Amino acid sequence: DAKTTQPTSMDCAEGRAANLPCNHSTISGNEYVYWYRQIHSQGPQYIIHGLKNNETNEMASLIITEDRKSSTLILPHATLRDTAVYYCIVRLSGGYNKLIFGAGTRLAVHP
Amino acid sequence: EAGVAQSPRYKIIEKRQSVAFWCNPISGHATLYWYQQILGQGPKLLIQFQNNGVVDDSQLPKDRFSAERLKGVDSTLKIQPAKLEDSAVYLCASSLIRTDTQYFGPGTRLTVL
Repeated sequence: DAKTTQPTSMDCAEGRAANLPCNHSTISGNEYVYWYRQIHSQGPQYIIHGLKNNETNEMASLIITEDRKSSTLILPHATLRDTAVYYCIVRLSGGYNKLIFGAGTRLAVHP
Repeated sequence: EAGVAQSPRYKIIEKRQSVAFWCNPISGHATLYWYQQILGQGPKLLIQFQNNGVVDDSQLPKDRFSAERLKGVDSTLKIQPAKLEDSAVYLCASSLIRTDTQYFGPGTRLTVL
Protein backbone atom coordinates (compact mmCIF):
# COMPACT_ATOMS: atom_id res chain seq x y z
CA ASP A 1 0.00 0.00 0.00
CA ALA A 2 1.23 3.47 -0.89
CA LYS A 3 2.20 5.81 1.94
CA THR A 4 0.80 9.29 2.42
CA THR A 5 2.30 12.51 3.72
CA GLN A 6 0.19 15.16 5.43
CA PRO A 7 1.01 18.33 7.36
CA THR A 8 0.95 17.81 11.10
CA SER A 9 -1.45 20.64 11.81
CA MET A 10 -3.45 23.41 10.14
CA ASP A 11 -5.63 26.31 11.20
CA CYS A 12 -8.74 27.67 9.55
CA ALA A 13 -11.12 30.50 10.35
CA GLU A 14 -14.75 29.61 10.82
CA GLY A 15 -16.76 30.09 7.64
CA ARG A 16 -13.73 29.89 5.39
CA ALA A 17 -12.74 26.96 3.19
CA ALA A 18 -10.33 24.45 4.71
CA ASN A 19 -7.96 22.90 2.17
CA LEU A 20 -6.14 19.84 3.50
CA PRO A 21 -3.33 18.52 1.28
CA CYS A 22 -2.08 14.97 1.00
CA ASN A 23 0.88 13.62 -0.91
CA HIS A 24 0.78 10.05 -2.20
CA SER A 25 3.49 10.01 -4.84
CA THR A 26 3.84 6.21 -4.91
CA ILE A 27 0.15 5.52 -5.51
CA SER A 28 -0.61 2.84 -8.08
CA GLY A 29 -3.36 2.79 -10.64
CA ASN A 30 -5.73 0.57 -8.67
CA GLU A 31 -5.46 2.37 -5.34
CA TYR A 32 -8.16 4.66 -4.01
CA VAL A 33 -7.65 7.79 -1.92
CA TYR A 34 -9.81 7.78 1.21
CA TRP A 35 -10.36 10.51 3.76
CA TYR A 36 -11.54 9.95 7.31
CA ARG A 37 -11.66 12.31 10.25
CA GLN A 38 -11.64 11.74 13.97
CA ILE A 39 -13.23 14.16 16.35
CA HIS A 40 -11.94 14.04 19.90
CA SER A 41 -13.08 10.93 21.82
CA GLN A 42 -14.94 9.51 18.83
CA GLY A 43 -14.20 6.82 16.27
CA PRO A 44 -13.00 7.78 12.78
CA GLN A 45 -15.72 9.03 10.45
CA TYR A 46 -15.73 8.37 6.72
CA ILE A 47 -15.70 11.56 4.62
CA ILE A 48 -15.10 10.78 0.97
CA HIS A 49 -13.02 8.69 -1.42
CA GLY A 50 -11.96 8.77 -5.08
CA LEU A 51 -9.90 6.98 -7.68
CA LYS A 52 -9.17 9.41 -10.52
CA ASN A 53 -11.96 11.95 -10.79
CA ASN A 54 -12.80 14.73 -8.40
CA GLU A 55 -15.58 13.85 -6.01
CA THR A 56 -18.09 15.86 -4.00
CA ASN A 57 -20.60 14.91 -1.36
CA GLU A 58 -22.52 16.69 1.37
CA MET A 59 -19.47 16.85 3.62
CA ALA A 60 -16.57 17.75 1.36
CA SER A 61 -14.90 17.80 -2.04
CA LEU A 62 -11.90 15.74 -3.07
CA ILE A 63 -9.57 17.06 -5.72
CA ILE A 64 -7.08 14.55 -7.14
CA THR A 65 -4.29 15.78 -9.40
CA GLU A 66 -4.08 14.38 -12.90
CA ASP A 67 -0.97 12.34 -12.11
CA ARG A 68 -2.72 11.13 -8.91
CA LYS A 69 0.35 11.87 -6.81
CA SER A 70 -1.46 14.28 -4.53
CA SER A 71 -4.94 15.28 -3.47
CA THR A 72 -6.74 17.97 -1.51
CA LEU A 73 -9.72 17.62 0.76
CA ILE A 74 -11.86 20.76 0.77
CA LEU A 75 -14.32 21.64 3.50
CA PRO A 76 -16.11 24.56 1.80
CA HIS A 77 -17.37 26.39 4.90
CA ALA A 78 -15.56 25.17 7.98
CA THR A 79 -17.34 25.25 11.32
CA LEU A 80 -16.06 24.73 14.84
CA ARG A 81 -17.42 21.18 14.69
CA ASP A 82 -14.96 20.40 11.88
CA THR A 83 -12.08 20.60 14.36
CA ALA A 84 -10.61 17.10 14.17
CA VAL A 85 -7.72 14.95 12.97
CA TYR A 86 -8.03 14.28 9.24
CA TYR A 87 -6.53 11.10 7.79
CA CYS A 88 -5.63 10.62 4.14
CA ILE A 89 -5.34 6.91 3.30
CA VAL A 90 -4.48 5.06 0.12
CA ARG A 91 -6.31 1.77 -0.15
CA LEU A 92 -5.86 -1.00 -2.64
CA SER A 93 -8.90 -1.74 -4.77
CA GLY A 94 -10.15 -5.18 -3.84
CA GLY A 95 -8.01 -7.22 -1.52
CA TYR A 96 -8.82 -7.21 2.17
CA ASN A 97 -9.85 -3.54 2.48
CA LYS A 98 -7.01 -2.76 4.85
CA LEU A 99 -6.81 0.88 5.98
CA ILE A 100 -3.34 2.00 7.10
CA PHE A 101 -3.67 5.19 9.10
CA GLY A 102 -0.83 7.67 9.46
CA ALA A 103 -0.70 10.46 12.03
CA GLY A 104 -3.06 12.67 10.04
CA THR A 105 -3.51 16.46 10.03
CA ARG A 106 -4.88 18.13 13.13
CA LEU A 107 -7.25 20.85 11.86
CA ALA A 108 -8.22 23.58 14.29
CA VAL A 109 -11.13 25.79 13.25
CA HIS A 110 -11.24 29.02 15.22
CA PRO A 111 -13.89 31.74 15.51
CA GLU B 1 -29.73 3.12 10.83
CA ALA B 2 -27.94 2.21 14.05
CA GLY B 3 -24.17 2.52 14.02
CA VAL B 4 -21.47 0.23 15.34
CA ALA B 5 -21.97 -0.38 19.06
CA GLN B 6 -19.15 -1.05 21.49
CA SER B 7 -18.99 -1.72 25.21
CA PRO B 8 -17.73 -0.86 27.66
CA ARG B 9 -16.71 2.69 26.75
CA TYR B 10 -14.04 2.83 29.44
CA LYS B 11 -12.12 0.18 31.34
CA ILE B 12 -9.36 0.43 33.94
CA ILE B 13 -7.47 -2.69 34.98
CA GLU B 14 -4.16 -3.62 36.54
CA LYS B 15 -1.40 -5.28 34.57
CA ARG B 16 -1.65 -9.04 34.27
CA GLN B 17 -5.44 -8.89 34.55
CA SER B 18 -7.76 -9.94 31.75
CA VAL B 19 -10.23 -7.78 29.85
CA ALA B 20 -12.78 -8.26 27.09
CA PHE B 21 -14.41 -5.83 24.69
CA TRP B 22 -17.63 -6.34 22.80
CA CYS B 23 -18.69 -5.07 19.38
CA ASN B 24 -22.01 -5.20 17.55
CA PRO B 25 -21.59 -4.17 13.90
CA ILE B 26 -24.10 -2.45 11.66
CA SER B 27 -26.85 -4.88 10.72
CA GLY B 28 -26.03 -6.86 7.61
CA HIS B 29 -22.34 -5.96 7.56
CA ALA B 30 -20.32 -9.05 6.73
CA THR B 31 -16.87 -7.66 7.49
CA LEU B 32 -15.74 -6.66 10.98
CA TYR B 33 -12.47 -5.06 12.05
CA TRP B 34 -10.71 -4.42 15.36
CA TYR B 35 -8.20 -1.56 15.56
CA GLN B 36 -5.88 -0.40 18.32
CA GLN B 37 -5.22 3.32 18.65
CA ILE B 38 -2.43 4.42 20.96
CA LEU B 39 -2.55 8.04 22.12
CA GLY B 40 -1.25 10.41 19.45
CA GLN B 41 -1.21 7.79 16.68
CA GLY B 42 -3.60 6.66 13.99
CA PRO B 43 -5.55 3.43 14.39
CA LYS B 44 -3.76 0.16 13.63
CA LEU B 45 -5.63 -2.89 12.35
CA LEU B 46 -5.43 -5.87 14.69
CA ILE B 47 -7.79 -8.35 13.05
CA GLN B 48 -10.34 -8.55 10.26
CA PHE B 49 -13.25 -10.98 10.01
CA GLN B 50 -15.23 -11.91 6.93
CA ASN B 51 -18.47 -13.32 8.40
CA ASN B 52 -17.09 -15.55 11.18
CA GLY B 53 -13.76 -16.33 9.54
CA VAL B 54 -10.46 -14.49 10.08
CA VAL B 55 -8.98 -12.99 6.90
CA ASP B 56 -6.16 -10.91 8.43
CA ASP B 57 -4.67 -11.16 11.91
CA SER B 58 -1.08 -10.37 10.99
CA GLN B 59 -0.84 -7.49 13.50
CA LEU B 60 -2.57 -9.27 16.39
CA PRO B 61 -0.21 -10.16 19.31
CA LYS B 62 -1.47 -13.71 19.50
CA ASP B 63 0.34 -14.57 22.72
CA ARG B 64 -2.05 -12.32 24.64
CA PHE B 65 -4.80 -11.12 22.31
CA SER B 66 -7.64 -13.22 20.96
CA ALA B 67 -10.81 -12.41 19.08
CA GLU B 68 -13.84 -14.27 17.91
CA ARG B 69 -16.94 -13.55 15.93
CA LEU B 70 -19.53 -16.16 16.66
CA LYS B 71 -22.36 -16.58 14.15
CA GLY B 72 -20.85 -13.84 12.00
CA VAL B 73 -22.44 -10.96 13.93
CA ASP B 74 -21.12 -9.78 17.32
CA SER B 75 -17.44 -9.96 18.14
CA THR B 76 -15.33 -10.07 21.28
CA LEU B 77 -11.70 -9.00 21.65
CA LYS B 78 -9.84 -10.31 24.70
CA ILE B 79 -6.51 -9.45 26.25
CA GLN B 80 -4.99 -11.92 28.70
CA PRO B 81 -2.79 -10.94 30.51
CA ALA B 82 -2.73 -7.19 29.93
CA LYS B 83 0.48 -5.17 29.84
CA LEU B 84 1.02 -1.47 30.43
CA GLU B 85 1.61 -0.91 26.71
CA ASP B 86 -1.89 -2.20 25.93
CA SER B 87 -3.30 1.10 27.18
CA ALA B 88 -5.11 2.42 24.11
CA VAL B 89 -8.49 2.92 22.50
CA TYR B 90 -9.85 -0.22 20.88
CA LEU B 91 -12.03 0.55 17.88
CA CYS B 92 -14.42 -1.75 16.09
CA ALA B 93 -15.49 -1.09 12.51
CA SER B 94 -17.69 -2.87 10.01
CA SER B 95 -18.35 -2.80 6.29
CA LEU B 96 -21.07 -4.25 4.14
CA ILE B 97 -18.67 -6.26 2.09
CA ARG B 98 -14.93 -6.73 2.13
CA THR B 99 -14.21 -3.83 -0.23
CA ASP B 100 -16.75 -1.35 1.08
CA THR B 101 -16.42 1.74 3.25
CA GLN B 102 -15.66 1.04 6.91
CA TYR B 103 -17.83 2.55 9.65
CA PHE B 104 -16.36 2.88 13.11
CA GLY B 105 -17.80 2.59 16.60
CA PRO B 106 -16.99 5.02 19.43
CA GLY B 107 -14.23 2.81 20.84
CA THR B 108 -13.31 1.44 24.26
CA ARG B 109 -10.63 3.32 26.18
CA LEU B 110 -8.46 0.88 28.12
CA THR B 111 -6.11 2.01 30.85
CA VAL B 112 -3.70 -0.56 32.27
CA LEU B 113 -2.13 0.44 35.60
